[in-house]
This record gives sequence, structure tokens and C-alpha cells, in this order.
Amino acid sequence: NAGVTQTPKFRILKIGQSMTLQCAQDMNHNYMYWYRQDPGMGLKLIYYSVGAGITDKGEVPNGYKVSRSTTEDFPLRLELAAPSQTSVYFCASSGTSRRAYEQYFGPGTRLTVT
Amino acid sequence: SQKIEQNSEALNIQEGKTATLTCNYTNYSPAYLQWYRQDPGRGPVFLLLIRENEKEKRKERLKVTFDTTLKQSLFHITASQPADSATYLCALNSGGGADGLTFGKGTHLIIQP
Repeated sequence: NAGVTQTPKFRILKIGQSMTLQCAQDMNHNYMYWYRQDPGMGLKLIYYSVGAGITDKGEVPNGYKVSRSTTEDFPLRLELAAPSQTSVYFCASSGTSRRAYEQYFGPGTRLTVT
Repeated sequence: SQKIEQNSEALNIQEGKTATLTCNYTNYSPAYLQWYRQDPGRGPVFLLLIRENEKEKRKERLKVTFDTTLKQSLFHITASQPADSATYLCALNSGGGADGLTFGKGTHLIIQP
């Protein structure tokens, strides 16, 4: 299993541009999450999904959109990028068994908005 | 407001000693608490989960305690090794089991040979 994969690894955007961060998992997990991590700060939840077709806002959703059309994929869309969105973005997933609560993280996407 | 606090400064421990990291929280009643390890440039990796009705959990050289009265968790690494050097993150569930975690800023642990 590849686990949780994210693309791209790095990206530089100009202010006002848009992009989609890709996330996929091959563990058949129902739950998926997007976090951002700023330097010296804890991870903050952006959006999460409890299954295909179901998404909900986390702590810091403004400026982002998500969709969940399949169990495997959970893309994060940035519209009109702003310098405040410069961060490292992590996607994570967790399952539905008794061990559901541990989260598996991808390697992250480092995004710079200038 | 809800807050999770971890030692903000780096923790230097001599190899072979026990490293103890602290996680304090306020304005939470978490059902469970988790500890993750994060290496530079990588995503967090799950280590241990402890539930509110558990006082202690062990896994190999790792031990976690959870005191819901003190609102504190302690994370211990015994017989520490330089390979244990990393940032360790404490995380609490925000509400239900599926709605994501709230993380502390992490403690940077350095094990010196």
C-alpha cells in the first residue's frame, strides 16, 4: 500500500492564482482530513470528510474548497491565493474499525504564495 | 477558548535517559488523546492513543499517561536513543471521533549521544 499520497510536493503561486492540491489514499478509509501547518505552530484543521459526498468545515476553512467524489480522493482547492495561505498542507485519513481514530498522514505539500 | 500547550523549547536529553514530554490542555473534555512524531519535512506519524478512561498506555519504550483531572498527558521515552530525536505532537479530538484533531505546537526532542 502507498498509504496517503499528495501532489505536488512543492508549489509557488502568485497572488490571485488558483490551484488544487491532490490527496489520495489506498487504505479504503472513510475519513479524510486537510490540515495546514505554519512554522512553529500546530496543525490546524481546514476541512474533513466522513465519506464520499460528505464534507464539513474545520477550524480554518476560509479561502479553501473541497470535494469528495470517491472514497480514495480528497482534493483541496485554493481560489484566489493569498500570502496568508503560505504553509505546509497535510492530508490525512483514518478508518472505521476500532482503530479508527489514529490518522495516517501524507508527506505534505509546501506552498508559497508571493 | 480551547488550548493545548506543550513545552515550547527544545528538550535536550542524554542518550540512555528517560525523556518526559508534557501536554496540558484547557477547556476540553476529550474522549481520547494521541501522540505523534514528526521528522523535518515529513508528515506526522501516529505513536499512541489513550482514552479518557485509561490512566496509562505502553508500547515498547514508549509510555503515555492521561490525567483528566489535571488535564494533562505525559509522554515518556525510556532508554532514549539519538534516533528518537524529532518533534512530538500532542493531539486531542475536537468532538466526535471523525471530526479531526486539534494539535499542540509540539516539543522538539534532542537526544545527545
